[in-house]
Amino acid sequence: GESVGLHLPTLSVQEGDNSIINCAYSNSASDYFIWYKQESGKGPQFIIDIRSNMDKRQGQRVTVLLNKTVKHLSLQIAATQPGDSAVYFCAEKTGGDSSYKLIFGSGTRLLVRP
Amino acid sequence: DAGVTQSPTHLIKTRGQQVTLRCSPKSGHDTVSWYQQALGQGPQFIFQYYEEEERQRGNFPDRFSGHQFPNYSSELNVNALLLGDSALYLCASSWDREAGAFFGQGTRLTVV
Repeated sequence: GESVGLHLPTLSVQEGDNSIINCAYSNSASDYFIWYKQESGKGPQFIIDIRSNMDKRQGQRVTVLLNKTVKHLSLQIAATQPGDSAVYFCAEKTGGDSSYKLIFGSGTRLLVRP
Repeated sequence: DAGVTQSPTHLIKTRGQQVTLRCSPKSGHDTVSWYQQALGQGPQFIFQYYEEEERQRGNFPDRFSGHQFPNYSSELNVNALLLGDSALYLCASSWDREAGAFFGQGTRLTVV
């Protein structure tokens, strides 16, 4: 079925440490995943995406890992900063670019301790 | 470029009333999607408009309807409001292969 879910609702990390946010999905046919960051009072903001033909993708201080065998993906944030405090969502994109739909998980709140 | 803009930012309505929310997509984008985000939850897809037609719809009742204008802006209408309709309503524009979907800041609807 269509569902994307997260393991932990809240993650608290020390500033400077690395953060890992996990996400499980149920549809083995899913082929495109995106991580979004949502700060208080704002809409979701694109962080990084990954297609199912990849296991890993890196951006600036972020890495997304995809394990298709266990239908799991994770977002790693290196050297976590106070500005990283937000709610993070994994989402699956279905449909083509012109008729896409995003299926979101319920989110993980990341709290960065000074 | 103002990005995706939504209005109003906050709204309080009484149960049973009707509400209209507005969205202007990012310049050059012709598709508008609407999402409902309940407190503590991820956004849920309501419907998508393209060329002034509803292209696809999520699992929402007919009380939720929409419209897209020739300038690509869009409205979301909700009739017979229920307390459970209280949520943040987000608008997203066309998919960008480099940056994904651009979201507006949302309209916070409170039904009392």
